[in-house]
Amino acid sequence: DAGVTQSPTHLIKTRGQQVTLRCSPISGHKSVSWYQQVLGQGPQFIFQYYEKEERGRGNFPDRFSARQFPNYSSELNVNALLLGDSALYLCASSLQGQGRISFEQYFGPGTRLTVT
Amino acid sequence: GDSVTQMEGPVTLSEEAFLTINCTYTATGYPSLFWYVQYPGEGLQLLLKATKADDKGSNKGFEATYRKETTSFHLEKGSVQVSDSAVYFCALRIPNTGNQFYFGTGTSLTVIP
Repeated sequence: DAGVTQSPTHLIKTRGQQVTLRCSPISGHKSVSWYQQVLGQGPQFIFQYYEKEERGRGNFPDRFSARQFPNYSSELNVNALLLGDSALYLCASSLQGQGRISFEQYFGPGTRLTVT
Repeated sequence: GDSVTQMEGPVTLSEEAFLTINCTYTATGYPSLFWYVQYPGEGLQLLLKATKADDKGSNKGFEATYRKETTSFHLEKGSVQVSDSAVYFCALRIPNTGNQFYFGTGTSLTVIP
């Protein structure tokens, strides 16, 4: 079975531009989460979507937005890019995203975004 | 707030040495605890987990015990191999708060032959 896939693998953008990153979850997974991993740091939570609705949001500015499609794939959009947005953006999928049970998150390989 | 504190790296060990990577947490409620591993150029992979106090997670020779009294989840392996060289992340999730995970800063491990 295919794991979590992300596209593109690498991306170079200029300050002020906009970027869209894409994620396809594992088949049957309905929850998608996005994380930002700055070099040398742990992943920081950006968003979680479950059943096409936003279920959680981390401490990121409104320049960051996301959505989930009926097939459970997801896009992360970042507007007005800053140099500090340079990072590895990780997508993770899980069966569900609510409740006491900790459904395992499966991570994709990430998209490396460089802002110049 | 909820957070995870990991032992600073990098850690360099000889093959077959004993490994401990310390992890402590601060959390409201009763979190689930995880160790993830990131090999060079790859995404994160779940290594092991524990969902309640005194649970022991284990996988591939790695172990970690959920200690509520010391708010810790230290990762151990009795005999490391060169192939264990990677970055290890401790993480927690608070149940009933969606699927938001809080990660530590990561500990880089290099095992030399």
